[in-house]
Amino acid sequence: DAKTTQPTSMDCAEGRAANLPCNHSTISGNEYVYWYRQIHSQGPQYIIHGLKNNETNEMASLIITEDRKSSTLILPHATLRDTAVYYCIVWGTSGTYKYIFGTGTRLKVLA
Amino acid sequence: EAQVTQNPRYLITVTGKKLTVTCSQNMNHEYMSWYRQDPGLGLRQIYYSMNVEVTDKGDVPEGYKVSRKEKRNFPLILESPSPNQTSLYFCASSTLTAGPYEQYFGPGTRLTVT
Repeated sequence: DAKTTQPTSMDCAEGRAANLPCNHSTISGNEYVYWYRQIHSQGPQYIIHGLKNNETNEMASLIITEDRKSSTLILPHATLRDTAVYYCIVWGTSGTYKYIFGTGTRLKVLA
Repeated sequence: EAQVTQNPRYLITVTGKKLTVTCSQNMNHEYMSWYRQDPGLGLRQIYYSMNVEVTDKGDVPEGYKVSRKEKRNFPLILESPSPNQTSLYFCASSTLTAGPYEQYFGPGTRLTVT
């Protein structure tokens, strides 16, 4: 069973912020939230991860709620090249070490 | 250049003919994993390995075998392929010694079993 829930698809206008939500209500205390994206049929690419604090890197920002049951990936100025499937995953270095990707959110950036 | 390589990239085979898809990483990663991707189903983990001689089943291990005799290599073996194993396969690796533990993915192998 998927440990995360994401909307199936979203559209975003080019140049605007894309906010992609993810629910992970069963996350445990030592599990991180990871985001990956997959463009066409290429191998997925790591974007960002976080434990409980908000995180920012050159690609995106990650906002994690205080109860850690949900998070939002923010692409601050979406471009056409950000059109991809975005996967939210919870994973930690204890437990089973399995990765469960789910079906992700298909983001389409519109010109 | 740090990378995960897979071979072959494309393969068409017939039912029952044993095949191996190779995966190799040059980053000294402990964790390696195989996924399959089918339309509408996202990526599903087949097997993973946390180090040499340590492997475990993912969510869809039936019909597949793996081995981890060397740290850099993690081949995927289909002893008797069937048409329902037609899919896009990805290998990935990551370190387990220090964060952020992100996975690096190979370019994918598109397998067709007729």
